Amino acid sequence: GNSVTQMEGPVTLSEEAFLTINCTYTATGYPSLFWYVQYPGEGLQLLLKATKADDKGSNKGFEATYRKETTSFHLEKGSVQVSDSAVYFCALSLVAGGTSYGKLTFGQGTILTVHP
Amino acid sequence: NAGVTQTPKFQVLKTGQSMTLQCAQDMNHEYMSWYRQDPGMGLRLIHYSVGAGITDQGEVPNGYNVSRSTTEDFPLRLLSAAPSQTSVYFCASSYMGGTNQPQHFGDGTRLSIL
Repeated sequence: GNSVTQMEGPVTLSEEAFLTINCTYTATGYPSLFWYVQYPGEGLQLLLKATKADDKGSNKGFEATYRKETTSFHLEKGSVQVSDSAVYFCALSLVAGGTSYGKLTFGQGTILTVHP
Repeated sequence: NAGVTQTPKFQVLKTGQSMTLQCAQDMNHEYMSWYRQDPGMGLRLIHYSVGAGITDQGEVPNGYNVSRSTTEDFPLRLLSAAPSQTSVYFCASSYMGGTNQPQHFGDGTRLSIL
């Protein structure tokens, strides 16, 4: 089956530190990959996505590169801010057989806390 | 645009009670889905729909029913609540058309079953 594994958290950083959250996947096919972010008390929001190998998704200073050879989609940011404190979810989407829509499979989420 | 609207935001039930979680979207999305979020387990798909009158089961459908009579609405029903259904529930919607369509999520319903 399909699965997504994220690095275990929680992750605690000081402001302006470098962030990496690891994400690897297994999939029976060629998925699209996503990072979603959940701020306290809110629903998930799309942070970035990549749809084919070697694509780099980027948004708000965050980046992730689709690495097919290592089945990975690690999230990075060069300098985190207190406002980046949230839960981050890696996810993949695969088209179900004979259909035209993708069903999401999520990782377990990584809690990030950034201190001033 | 309101996006995806979920009601209620919080609910406490007793074991055996029934209730319906409401979800509405105003983006004319064909695809709608329900997830539950539990600590350390990410989000798991309960049921989904690809259009009015069409629904299907996800990963954890037991104990939940859905229907889709309109494009806009996708309610989730708990017929006889159990403590194992204590969770945060999210509704999401998107366009169809392949794997690259991002999901739009509501703010969630926090449900406690006593």
